[in-house]
Amino acid sequence: GENVEQHPSTLSVQEGDSAVIKCTYSDSASNYFPWYKQELGKRPQLIIDIRSNVGEKKDQRIAVTLNKTAKHFSLHITETQPEDSAVYFCAATDAGNMLTFGGGTRLMVKP
Amino acid sequence: GAGVSQTPSNKVTEKGKYVELRCDPISGHTALYWYRQSLGQGPEFLIYFQGTGAADDSGLPNDRFFAVRPEGSVSTLKIQRTERGDSAVYLCASSLLAGTLTGELFFGEGSRLTVL
Repeated sequence: GENVEQHPSTLSVQEGDSAVIKCTYSDSASNYFPWYKQELGKRPQLIIDIRSNVGEKKDQRIAVTLNKTAKHFSLHITETQPEDSAVYFCAATDAGNMLTFGGGTRLMVKP
Repeated sequence: GAGVSQTPSNKVTEKGKYVELRCDPISGHTALYWYRQSLGQGPEFLIYFQGTGAADDSGLPNDRFFAVRPEGSVSTLKIQRTERGDSAVYLCASSLLAGTLTGELFFGEGSRLTVL
């Protein structure tokens, strides 16, 4: 089965700085890589996703890059704001359409 | 409603009791997932339904856990003889699959289970 590792587990940045979260996956058949944001006590919500046929995707201040050869993908948040503070989860899915999540990264943006 | 609905939002029970957790997915979503999330950890896969059938139940930890989706919409996660280690937030998610492509998972707010 799929195994997803996520680093770092916690990340503290100053407002306006960039934040990068990295994930690796084990199943070379994985073809869908979403990122979810979970605020305290709330449900996980999709913020961006990427499929295996592209290497990078951007949406305003957030971007995701995928390296299929190395089996890793990363989330980049630029110009961080206090409201970006949350736990971020990466995930990967295989042909069976089952998502495996990473352990999460707690991002703290200090004003 | 417009989103995934889960009930109850909180459930406190005693060790050894039976519990049922309900999930009402977004209308028209054929795929339904149950995940379990312990404090400070990522969601852990339990079971996935495509329509009425369990397409993958490999994440169920043991035979005390069972889930059904008899009409391809609402699903119930059933836990027998609860143990303290079952305490967690149980998340349900639904998705509209297009062919073999996974779509966005829409999560419910979760059912927080506490076993005393």
